[in-house]
Amino acid sequence: GQQLNQSPQSMFIQEGEDVSMNCTSSSIFNTWLWYKQDPGEGPVLLIALYKAGELTSNGRLTAQFGITRKDSFLNISASIPSDVGIYFCAGGNNFNKFYFGSGTKLNVKP
Amino acid sequence: GAGVSQSPSNKVTEKGKDVELRCDPISGHTALYWYRQRLGQGLEFLIYFQGNSAPDKSGLPSDRFSAERTGESVSTLTIQRTQQEDSAVYLCASSAYSGYEQYFGPGTRLTVT
Repeated sequence: GQQLNQSPQSMFIQEGEDVSMNCTSSSIFNTWLWYKQDPGEGPVLLIALYKAGELTSNGRLTAQFGITRKDSFLNISASIPSDVGIYFCAGGNNFNKFYFGSGTKLNVKP
Repeated sequence: GAGVSQSPSNKVTEKGKDVELRCDPISGHTALYWYRQRLGQGLEFLIYFQGNSAPDKSGLPSDRFSAERTGESVSTLTIQRTQQEDSAVYLCASSAYSGYEQYFGPGTRLTVT
């Protein structure tokens, strides 16, 4: 089956630093989603991408849909303590299920 | 508007008992998904519905697991003869249609003793 490789698995950064994480697939997707999950809660949708090459921002977050349609990147600028959590990527196609990455655990030191 | 809701939020059951977990999707969403998340792990796909039909049940771990959806709305995930390895958070998500952005509920934490 299709697999998504998400990296890094975990990150320890200082408050104020920028963060970059990515997701790669062996298959083409026409939709990429990025989620953040806080402890004890369900994942929250951060950004949705629907077009190859698309770059979308949501506040300090920026995500890109790779031109090959097999990868996506999420960047967080000027990190703050509340950015702590687990970030998941998901790739999908029309009228089908999504495949999720294994998550990137972000730790931010004040 | 109201998001995805799940009930109960927590369920403790004895090994061998059956449990039913409920998901109420966002109104008008035609697609509904169930996932399992073990402690500290990622999301494990179980099943998804488009309308009341389940085109993909490939993630159900065993025949003890079943799910149904009625009225293109509420869905129930049933686990029969629960085992300790069934302990996990069960997450439900819905989307306007399959392949479109999904919105998650808060999950049901199941503990099998």
